[in-house]
Amino acid sequence: GEEVAQTPKHLVRGEGQKAKLYCAPIKGHSYVFWYQQVLKNEFKFLISFQNENVFDETGMPKERFSAKCLPNSPCSLEIQATKLEDSAVYFCASSHPDSAGGYTFGSGTRLTVV
Amino acid sequence: QQPVQSPQAVILREGEDAVINCSSSKALYSVHWYRQKHGEAPVFLMILLKGGEQKGHDKISASFNEKKQQSSLYLTASQLSYSGTYFCGTRMNRDDKIIFGKGTRLHILP
Repeated sequence: GEEVAQTPKHLVRGEGQKAKLYCAPIKGHSYVFWYQQVLKNEFKFLISFQNENVFDETGMPKERFSAKCLPNSPCSLEIQATKLEDSAVYFCASSHPDSAGGYTFGSGTRLTVV
Repeated sequence: QQPVQSPQAVILREGEDAVINCSSSKALYSVHWYRQKHGEAPVFLMILLKGGEQKGHDKISASFNEKKQQSSLYLTASQLSYSGTYFCGTRMNRDDKIIFGKGTRLHILP
């Protein structure tokens, strides 16, 4: 399809619970990026993939966050033992290798940790 | 490394023009502009590549001054639909992640 599909749209978790977010990139887009957008609207980069390989994970809080992009499956972002500060909208974006790197964003997953 | 956007916020009347600026202290490969409306995903507007260029799309255009590492987004004869937060993003090289500025909130009054 021509859209980046993110699921679920909303997710509510109690502090300490696990959260798992999914992203299906546009077919043919070999790059996938995850960003966290918090209330001040700033985008914090988390991790990027080139196909199923981690390309850049400099933004990931490694102790609780993990991500995967496996062949023929949506990409996933998992947060173990969520904290209140993880409440944010998580956006996934994909880009085509020939597009000079412009992103198509998914509609985001709003995670609320209570 | 985060690009600096200015102004932080703009209020205009319909039909007025606006300029949003984006500057970086590092040499850039590309500058990207996105618009995000409240509760929605960012929408791609345009990319400008190093080499210095200007692009236009309807009444929205942008320029990239490679010498100064500055880009400007121009909105002419603004429409109500232009309201939202505009983000510039910068890339240091072709495959790098985009680093976004803090955004410029644009509000258009009828």
